[in-house]
Amino acid sequence: DQQVKQNSPSLSVQEGRISILNCDYTNSMFDYFLWYKKYPAEGPTFLISISSIKDKNEDGRFTVFLNKSAKHLSLHIVPSQPGDSAVYFCAASMYSGGGADGLTFGKGTHLIIQP
Amino acid sequence: GEEVAQTPKHLVRGEGQKAKLYCAPIKGHSYVFWYQQVLKNEFKFLISFQNENVFDETGMPKERFSAKCLPNSPCSLEIQATKLEDSAVYFCASERENTGELFFGEGSRLTVL
Repeated sequence: DQQVKQNSPSLSVQEGRISILNCDYTNSMFDYFLWYKKYPAEGPTFLISISSIKDKNEDGRFTVFLNKSAKHLSLHIVPSQPGDSAVYFCAASMYSGGGADGLTFGKGTHLIIQP
Repeated sequence: GEEVAQTPKHLVRGEGQKAKLYCAPIKGHSYVFWYQQVLKNEFKFLISFQNENVFDETGMPKERFSAKCLPNSPCSLEIQATKLEDSAVYFCASERENTGELFFGEGSRLTVL
């Protein structure tokens, strides 16, 4: 049973436009959410996170929105740049205070930025 | 170090052979995690450590998989009698205190033939 779902395996966006990556979760105990970016043959790198007490977190071109009632979050990248082409993983944790609780990952969305 | 270092990058084993992977977490990080990624699918949690103590091993196939994080040594993940379905990239990650953010290594690709 997949607790974190990224239903779009891939997404193609024109350079300069907005990229919107979506993530749904089923476990209401999750209260901390993260996005990771992964290039081929590299480990995932942390991008941005959001705690369940917030509905928005912004960091430069990246904004994460959380809709707790819908159990849905999204990552907005604007404007999209060629270097944003990567696989993006949504992840969730039951403990926003950190610790060895670990994360549950989605399957990832491959974002392709078209020139 | 400032990065999670995993070795080897690639490992090829015949079915039934043993495989051992190593991970040096970032200095000062108390928590270490192992994840398995099969065929570019989602990351499957295997095991976590708090310092040298196993914290959560609910993801480990216990009959063949074992892991350790001993003081002053790299952490290790060992698979006895590998099977074809063990072919995957194994990622190690470490976590700073109270941040919830994991720092990943580049992964070790295990191919079982």
